[in-house]
Amino acid sequence: KNEVEQSPQNLTAQEGEFITINCSYSVGISALHWLQQHPGGGIVSLFMLSSGKKKHGRLIATINIQEKHSSLHITASHPRDSAVYICAVKPSNYGGSQGNLIFGKGTKLSVKP
Amino acid sequence: NAGVTQTPKFQVLKTGQSMTLQCAQDMNHNSMYWYRQDPGMGLRLIYYSASEGTTDKGEVPNGYNVSRLNKREFSLRLESAAPSQTSVYFCASKLAGEVYEQYFGPGTRLTVT
Repeated sequence: KNEVEQSPQNLTAQEGEFITINCSYSVGISALHWLQQHPGGGIVSLFMLSSGKKKHGRLIATINIQEKHSSLHITASHPRDSAVYICAVKPSNYGGSQGNLIFGKGTKLSVKP
Repeated sequence: NAGVTQTPKFQVLKTGQSMTLQCAQDMNHNSMYWYRQDPGMGLRLIYYSASEGTTDKGEVPNGYNVSRLNKREFSLRLESAAPSQTSVYFCASKLAGEVYEQYFGPGTRLTVT
């Protein structure tokens, strides 16, 4: 079983729709990251959170530590949001950690105009 | 700031050839990482360097060597390339400490025939 599971694997939405991407993990963590990988391949960090909720523009990330679950929401989706969204966790008990992350396989989002 | 840069962007090798992937960052980050990304899998850590002068193995180090040349530069060497090393390679860097996010380079697409 993968330590970080994302769902769905693929998601197609119409412009304007509200989108939710889910991430479940099986290890204790000190932080969870959401990253965006553009169609050209570049990866950027969207959020890092350890509790509660963070918002940046149309993006909202939430985390429930007790349930080991996080969601990434996109409001009023737009074709430029089309990308792969990656969840990654930093385990809290990782020998020699130094910030090593465990990555999910990603969710490929396509927003149609 | 250029951020994290990687060279080359694309490379084709024959089995048994050697090459070095270069990575540099201009953000004065302490920690640097090399990942590989394969279809259907999450990013996997090859090697990391917590600080200048130190390197450690990640999840998939076999067939690779690294050098932390100075604080800015972290190179990845394939001594004898194999088709199983066909992948997209990403370098990343971050400040020391748990609260900081990783910054990724644009990636190197390597094909070994």
